[in-house]
Amino acid sequence: DAGVIQSPRHEVTEMGQEVTLRCKPISGHNSLFWYRQTMMRGLELLIYFNNNVPIDDSGMPEDRFSAKMPNASFSTLKIQPSEPRDSAVYFCASSSRRGYSNQPQHFGDGTRLSIL
Amino acid sequence: AQTVTQSQPEMSVQEAETVTLSCTYDTSENNYYLFWYKQPPSRQMILVIRQEAYKQQNATENRFSVNFQKAAKSFSLKISDSQLGDTAMYFCAFMRETSGSRLTFGEGTQLTVNP
Repeated sequence: DAGVIQSPRHEVTEMGQEVTLRCKPISGHNSLFWYRQTMMRGLELLIYFNNNVPIDDSGMPEDRFSAKMPNASFSTLKIQPSEPRDSAVYFCASSSRRGYSNQPQHFGDGTRLSIL
Repeated sequence: AQTVTQSQPEMSVQEAETVTLSCTYDTSENNYYLFWYKQPPSRQMILVIRQEAYKQQNATENRFSVNFQKAAKSFSLKISDSQLGDTAMYFCAFMRETSGSRLTFGEGTQLTVNP
């Protein structure tokens, strides 16, 4: 049973470049979450989708960040233009709902992003 | 808004001994979920244990158990018979009962199991 798949695992690029992070949620999960992890701010939610629709993007830092979920099996997080302060580990997670009960979120292995 | 607080940035324990990690949270919700996630050096986020707020019985998963005190808004994790592989950052997390809700994480506790 495949888990949440993120790519790339590592990304190093120069500031000003466009960065695209990709996520494939677990099949059958209808909620998808993008988190960012830094030493200073810990784990913080950037945006999440229910049934491919963005529900809460209040955590997106600024207009340089955008996320899409064109279908139930794929999502992207894009940063354009990138800045050194965007360096972090970005996690994608997915979950489902069984009856009236939320199921736990399952995380991908994360993308370590370094902006030089 | 919900907040989650882990007051122990670092802890250590000897192999085979028991350790308890603390977590408190603040919410006005009555129905919600609480989780402990483990993040080893490989940086994977691994679910350790889950508790539904409406359940009075404390959750248990093998060597891992929780002490859930709803009135006190406390959710501690007990690891029995600690193993070297338990060395990791442990995050306490809160989730509302609403469908597709986000996780709110604590700051994390770095646990080191010493041989």
